Amino acid sequence: AVRMTQSPSSLSASTGDRVTVTCRASQGISRSLAWYQQKPGEAPKLLISDAATLQSGVPSKFSGSGSGTDFTLTISSLQSEDFATYYCQQYYSYPPTFGQGTKVEIK
Amino acid sequence: QITLKESGPTLVKPTQTLTLTCIFSTFSLNTRGVGVGWIRQSPGKALEWLALIYWDDEVRYSPSLMSRLTITRDASKNQVVLTMTNMDPVDTATYYCVHTPPDGLRFDYWGQGTLVTVSS
Repeated sequence: AVRMTQSPSSLSASTGDRVTVTCRASQGISRSLAWYQQKPGEAPKLLISDAATLQSGVPSKFSGSGSGTDFTLTISSLQSEDFATYYCQQYYSYPPTFGQGTKVEIK
Repeated sequence: QITLKESGPTLVKPTQTLTLTCIFSTFSLNTRGVGVGWIRQSPGKALEWLALIYWDDEVRYSPSLMSRLTITRDASKNQVVLTMTNMDPVDTATYYCVHTPPDGLRFDYWGQGTLVTVSS
């Protein structure tokens, strides 16, 4: 199985900050990568697919980039509603696998 | 708007079999390429994909849990059922039903999740 490693595991940031989360795959996955946002007590929400394609209704402050083994999720200006845990997921090969998550907390 | 909703027991005893039902709406599991699957999340932990069934009845399972899982569908009732045998306390988790679109194995719609506790 493809192992997905996110960094950092958690980060503290202030409203208005630019935040970057990194995801690394143990082998090349082309651009078959998704990002999810999960708030406490809620199901994850798909933000980005194909490494960089924003889902309908997702604010443009979110962006994704990368291909192969290294990917990033960027939040351009952090707002209160963005404090959550973010997961990456590869769907290049079975089984689909997730990173361990990055918790974005208020500084 | 696609919706999925999980139902099943909240408490199971060790060694018992868990049966979870997902009822979905506003899409058909007879549409080419569409799939419905299950993902779980242990308390405070990451997401773990379990199983998926496609429009054409192809099924896929997590290799680590394959021997314990069965996923079936009743397309006429818009239902997908997951059974997991020989439950253990480490299987305590929130179980999510998910929709996967035809063009990639990502999960664009999620149910609210159902917490299953395994305890005697």
